Amino acid sequence: QLVLTQSPSASASLGASVKITCSLSSGHITYAIAWHQQQPDKGPRYLMKINSDGSHSKGDGIPDRFSGSSSGADRYLTISSLQSEDEADYYCQTWGTGMGVVFGGGTKVTVL
Amino acid sequence: QVQLVESGGGVVQPGRSLRLSCAASGFTFGDYGMHWVRQAPGKGLEWVAVIWYDASKKDYADSVKGRFTISRDNSKNTVYLQMNGLRADDTAVFYCARAMVTALGAFDIWGQGTMVTVSP
Repeated sequence: QLVLTQSPSASASLGASVKITCSLSSGHITYAIAWHQQQPDKGPRYLMKINSDGSHSKGDGIPDRFSGSSSGADRYLTISSLQSEDEADYYCQTWGTGMGVVFGGGTKVTVL
Repeated sequence: QVQLVESGGGVVQPGRSLRLSCAASGFTFGDYGMHWVRQAPGKGLEWVAVIWYDASKKDYADSVKGRFTISRDNSKNTVYLQMNGLRADDTAVFYCARAMVTALGAFDIWGQGTMVTVSP
């Protein structure tokens, strides 16, 4: 079964960096994922797609502060120089033939 | 600009039906797979359904299979979600989203959402 696992929360100080993780289930560790940001009371926004080799493609207008990487079953989103507007929920998404689309449970990022 | 705009949400009694629409603009609609995703109050994102770029295939989450039907009209740049037999646990904001490819893939465009409330 295709499952994405995320830690429920993460926090860092204004101007610092935070790295959040999305883990793919066993048997699916080569899958690509996408990261989406959802600010309070807003719809989701696409941030980037990350492939298993760590290559990634960002959405239009996404600041350079957002970057992605990969290691084994884990896909990462790093936010550098944290700003107050980065306080949001972050969801990872993956997909597979015959498996539809799956979302992780979301990580709430708090800017201290 | 590239945009998705949902409509059709509202308050409906359990067991009744509702049809959501999602109007696309700013891109060649018929080249992309389209999806519906929902978010119950205070909860995470849940994928609902996909329709292939040419409407040749559809797929659904188990939670809605047999009750919801996704369709599209490429001449109107619109995707629909027909929801029958609505239940209280269908209460959610419903988003349409564009996949980067012809069916399954990363969602690169999202709509603003439309609220569906199922209540007696």
